[in-house]
Formats: sequence, C-alpha cells, structure tokens
Amino acid sequence: ETAVFQTPNYHVTQVGNEVSFNCKQTLGHDTMYWYKQDSKKLLKIMFSYNNKQLIVNETVPRRFSPQSSDKAHLNLRIKSVEPEDSAVYLCASSPDWGGVTLYFGSGTRLTVL
Amino acid sequence: GEKVEQHESTLSVREGDSAVINCTYTDTASSYFPWYKQEAGKSLHFVIDIRSNVDRKQSQRLIVLLDKKAKRFSLHITATQPEDSAIYFCAASSGGSNYKLTFGKGTLLTVTP
Repeated sequence: ETAVFQTPNYHVTQVGNEVSFNCKQTLGHDTMYWYKQDSKKLLKIMFSYNNKQLIVNETVPRRFSPQSSDKAHLNLRIKSVEPEDSAVYLCASSPDWGGVTLYFGSGTRLTVL
Repeated sequence: GEKVEQHESTLSVREGDSAVINCTYTDTASSYFPWYKQEAGKSLHFVIDIRSNVDRKQSQRLIVLLDKKAKRFSLHITATQPEDSAIYFCAASSGGSNYKLTFGKGTLLTVTP
C-alpha cells in the first residue's frame, strides 16, 4: 500500500535547467528524507526534515535545496542540473527521528542530457 | 563516518535453499541495523532490523544475526522462494539516528525454481 507519493515518475531535462520534485506522505510521520540512488544502486542520504528542522548533508551541492510547507510534504529543487545529477531520487518518511523504519516512495528518475 | 560493506554483490540460490548476505560496519557506536528489499523496478521496503541489545532476531523465514565484536551482521533467508529475488540492502546507523543511516551497496539475490 503506497503512502509516500512522488511526482513525477520520470523527468528528462538538459544541463543547466531547473527541476523540482514533489513528495507527500499520508502516514502522519514527523520526519521526511531525500535519498539519491545512482546507476550502481548506491543509496546516499541528501536531506532530512524533522519537526521543522532541516538537516543538510554537507556533501550535497548547493544547487540542491529541499522545500517543506508542512510535515507531510518535502519537495526537492535542483537549480541548474548537471549530468552527474542523473539518478533516481527517493523520498522517504519515518514516524520519528532515530532507528525506526523508513517508508519509501516509488522514486523519480532524473535524466540529464 | 560509518562505512558499511556488503560482501556479496550477487547471490544465486535454488528455490528451497537458504541464502546468506553478510555486512560489516566500522563505527562501534552503531546500534541499529535494518535491511531493505528492492524488487526490480520498484522502490525499497523494510524487511527486518536488529538493534545492538540483541544478537539474533527472526521474522518468519528471515533471521538477522549481529556480532558486535566482529562488527558484522547478516541476513539469512530460509526456504527461499522465487519472490525473494530482489536487491537486498543492509544499513547501519550510529547514534540511532535515521539521518546517519549508511547503506551497503546492495546484494542482488536470484532464486531459481
């Protein structure tokens, strides 16, 4: 049963464009995340948002910025995409901050030409 | 920071046999070790976890073992079925925070009838 919804499923764009991905969870969770999964399936945390506190992974380039209107929504904006941004972006949520199950969305596959 | 190594990149077993996937971690402070499954073309979903206060946990056909001395944990799938075929990711979290969850590179398990 899907409870973390991501749009779009796919997005193809050109280098230098701006893109925005949406994520909404209907589980009533307090915490949401963005993960990047590269072509080798490697998963890396990008951002986490917990009770209005944003945690930024310092290895994430500045062109990436999360946007949250409330605890059920966490969007991801990429300003001026680059080829290495091609990946699947996975949104997830969890009931709380630490050591609990993550619920993942179906992902947004970004291709940068 | 934490590093999680997943030793088997691929694993092939016959239906009915057991499959074992091994992971090691580096941070002695890690205390939470979840496993996630990703079926072809789909997103990740949680399968089982173990915390550092126990060394074994079972959920139906899944068994997780944790050896804190060796900084090693493993997923055992007994009586495998074709629907167990997927990529399995191990992860470790230091400080019990999901934000600090570090994933292994994944093991592609193929169960042949």
